[in-house]
Amino acid sequence: GAGVSQSPRYKVAKRGQDVALRCDPISGHVSLFWYQQALGQGPEFLTYFQNEAQLDKSGLPSDRFFAERPEGSVSTLKIQRTQQEDSAVYLCASSLLGTDTQYFGPGTRLTVL
Amino acid sequence: RKEVEQDPGPFNVPEGATVAFNCTYSNSASQSFFWYRQDCRKEPKLLMSVYSSGNEDGRFTAQLNRASQYISLLIRDSKLSDSATYLCVVNLSKGSARQLTFGSGTQLTVLP
Repeated sequence: GAGVSQSPRYKVAKRGQDVALRCDPISGHVSLFWYQQALGQGPEFLTYFQNEAQLDKSGLPSDRFFAERPEGSVSTLKIQRTQQEDSAVYLCASSLLGTDTQYFGPGTRLTVL
Repeated sequence: RKEVEQDPGPFNVPEGATVAFNCTYSNSASQSFFWYRQDCRKEPKLLMSVYSSGNEDGRFTAQLNRASQYISLLIRDSKLSDSATYLCVVNLSKGSARQLTFGSGTQLTVLP
């Protein structure tokens, strides 16, 4: 079946612009995660949804970052007033409820100029 | 101190060599452990889970020592296709959240 998909795959934004990154999880996966991966580092947790409920947003680096999953499937990560330090790959992962195995999408590479 | 620390690498080894990666984690309440593989400019993919009894999958062997909070991965008879970054991953479950905490990764290059 289809894996996790993300769009766009690449995004270039000017500093101060708002961006929206989309994630389509694997069908039937209740849990959805967003991670941020800086160059040369491992992914770092941003936020977690169970269905439409955002149960953990402790990893969001600032109030410029906002995520939603209004119908419990597709999720959007929005970054307002982008800064250069936001440049990274944003990875989305999904999993079945109660399991540890997370399946990652290909990521969105964000470059803020 | 990072919650998950790995050998910095990079490791450059000839084909057929045996190579071992080590990892330590700081949270003794960690519940599950994994090795992920990440190819250049690709997403992480689960390589194997790690159990206290140790587990093997073909040429790959993973070990967990809960007392020492130490995880290892051994690759035998390395292949060119094993070249990738290997990420040590710990599940720091907090309530209903099952976030994964990643090490920075160890880069492996297998040379012909």
